Amino acid sequence: EVVLTQSLDFQSVTPKEKVTITCRASQSIGSSLHWFQQKPDQSPKLLIKYASQSISGVPSRFSGSGSGTDFTLTINSLEAEDAAAYYCLQTGTLPFSFGQGTKLEIK
Amino acid sequence: EVQLVQSGGGLVQPGGSLRLSCAASGFTFTTAWMNWVRQSPGKGLEWVARIKSKTDGGTTDYAGPVKGRFTISRDDSKNTLYLQMNSLKSEDTAVYYCSEIGLGLWGQGTLVTVSS
Repeated sequence: EVVLTQSLDFQSVTPKEKVTITCRASQSIGSSLHWFQQKPDQSPKLLIKYASQSISGVPSRFSGSGSGTDFTLTINSLEAEDAAAYYCLQTGTLPFSFGQGTKLEIK
Repeated sequence: EVQLVQSGGGLVQPGGSLRLSCAASGFTFTTAWMNWVRQSPGKGLEWVARIKSKTDGGTTDYAGPVKGRFTISRDDSKNTLYLQMNSLKSEDTAVYYCSEIGLGLWGQGTLVTVSS
């Protein structure tokens, strides 16, 4: 099974700051890595698919990169509405698996 | 409107059974590969099961903790996805989501509580 490890469980950040969240896979998954945002009491929202593909309707300040085992979600110029939990998901190898999540708090 | 609308869920005793439903609309359900994902209270997301489209074989895959107890299925004539959950345990307590991951579609979630 592929274990995904996100770099931080919690991060407190200020508006307009640049945020980087990393996700490391225990084995190569190619580009089959997706990023989600989840706000309290809401369903997850797809931000980036296949490591770097942008999603229609998602603000351009969200971007993704990486392949193989190391992936990054970058949020440029953080806004207050970005306070949420962020998860990576791998669909390269069954069983699929999520990272443990990174909760972003806006100062 | 493109959406997934879930039903089912509720309180069930340990060892009991429950079936969740997920009605799809606004997209071509018959070609979609569908998933169930769950989230225990205050915890992270956990993938549960996937079913391919019938044209791609209709095969099913499960996470280890639910294999042999849960069954994912689909009725393309009703554009509906199901999750039959048997031999439920307290650790199955969670909000369950249906999802077409690649399209970024998620249901609203439904709470399943396993408790005596």
